[in-house]
Amino acid sequence: GAVVSQHPSWVICKSGTSVKIECRSLDFQATTMFWYRQFPKQSLMLMATSNEGSKATYEQGVEKDKFLINHASLTLSTLTVTSAHPEDSSFYICSGLSAGDMNTEAFFGQGTRLTVV
Amino acid sequence: KQEVTQIPAALSVPEGENLVLNCSFTDSAIYNLQWFRQDPGKGLTSLLLIQSSQREQTSGRLNASLDKSSGRSTLYIAASQPGDSATYLCAVRPGQNFVFGPGTRLSVLP
Repeated sequence: GAVVSQHPSWVICKSGTSVKIECRSLDFQATTMFWYRQFPKQSLMLMATSNEGSKATYEQGVEKDKFLINHASLTLSTLTVTSAHPEDSSFYICSGLSAGDMNTEAFFGQGTRLTVV
Repeated sequence: KQEVTQIPAALSVPEGENLVLNCSFTDSAIYNLQWFRQDPGKGLTSLLLIQSSQREQTSGRLNASLDKSSGRSTLYIAASQPGDSATYLCAVRPGQNFVFGPGTRLSVLP
């Protein structure tokens, strides 16, 4: 199956700093990528949808200036958590989708555990 | 707005038992439904994908059914093993993105 690689798998940062998370589709072109956040013992909540070459669409309640998403190529999307605070500590997961391919399996990255201290 | 629920929230069974996990969704207008497995602190592993036109899918000891009209899906695990212990998530696709259920935490005791 298709592979989505997410890096880093875990990161600890100081409050006020920024952290960048990368999501790469290794064997397919992801025209659309999704970013999810998962708090402990809760399910995945969609944060934003990014289409290659376009601005990301953010879900209600997600601050676009805090969670910067870049999807400059068909194989790479990045999520930057700016001025991170302890409440941003969470598990972040990306997912890639081929063009117009809503009937195929979705493949997810391995996730990134962010801890802000 | 599409909402997904899963019952039970947690389940503990002895090794060897057959078990059923349930998933319900409120809007039947979906492209497909997918079951995932998530180990603690890890990402998602896709288990089974059921298209909206299908009734069930099977993979090894796993069988998933879909009744779109009633908004229900079940994941059947046969002859459970300790290695099956994980959180099982179902997710429906009403459009591009997925809507996830809260998951069922399964513990299979040796």
